[in-house]
Amino acid sequence: NAGVTQTPKFQVLKTGQSMTLQCAQDMNHNSMYWYRQDPGMGLRLIYYSASEGTTDKGEVPNGYNVSRLNKREFSLRLESAAPSQTSVYFCASRPSGLGDNEQFFGPGTRLTVL
Amino acid sequence: DQQVKQNSPSLSVQEGRISILNCDYTNSMFDYFLWYKKYPAEGPTFLISISSIKDKNEDGRFTVFLNKSAKHLSLHIVPSQPGDSAVYFCAASGRLVFGQGTRLTINP
Repeated sequence: NAGVTQTPKFQVLKTGQSMTLQCAQDMNHNSMYWYRQDPGMGLRLIYYSASEGTTDKGEVPNGYNVSRLNKREFSLRLESAAPSQTSVYFCASRPSGLGDNEQFFGPGTRLTVL
Repeated sequence: DQQVKQNSPSLSVQEGRISILNCDYTNSMFDYFLWYKKYPAEGPTFLISISSIKDKNEDGRFTVFLNKSAKHLSLHIVPSQPGDSAVYFCAASGRLVFGQGTRLTINP
């Protein structure tokens, strides 16, 4: 099992460009999450999907959109990138059964917006 | 408003000694707490957790203590090893709320 995979690993964008960050999990988990990590801020939730077909905003959703394509895949889109979106982005998944609190994280995408 | 706080950005400990990482929270509705460990250029990995109905959970060298009245939890690592050098995040409940992280350095 690959666990949670993310593509690309690195990306440099110019202000105003768009891109989609891809995430896939092969653990048959119901819930999936997108976080961003900034220095001194910990990980902040951007969007999450409790199950296939549903998405909800997290703490910092502005400037982002998401798509839960199927149970395996959850993508994050930046329509018009801004320098404030320079960050490391992590995707995570969770089984969502009773007592399943642990989230499993991907390796991250390091995004720089110039 | 930071609901989960780790007030020490960094901690340096001698190999073999105890490492104690602290975390405070404000929301009394949190019912489950987790610690994650993160190495550079990798995603966080789960380390240990504790339910709010307990005050201690132990797993090998790692012990988490929960003081609900103080809204405080701590992670103890005994004995500390060089491989424990990483950033540690505490997190609360199902849709996880993370602290800012503490960078632990174990000195040989």
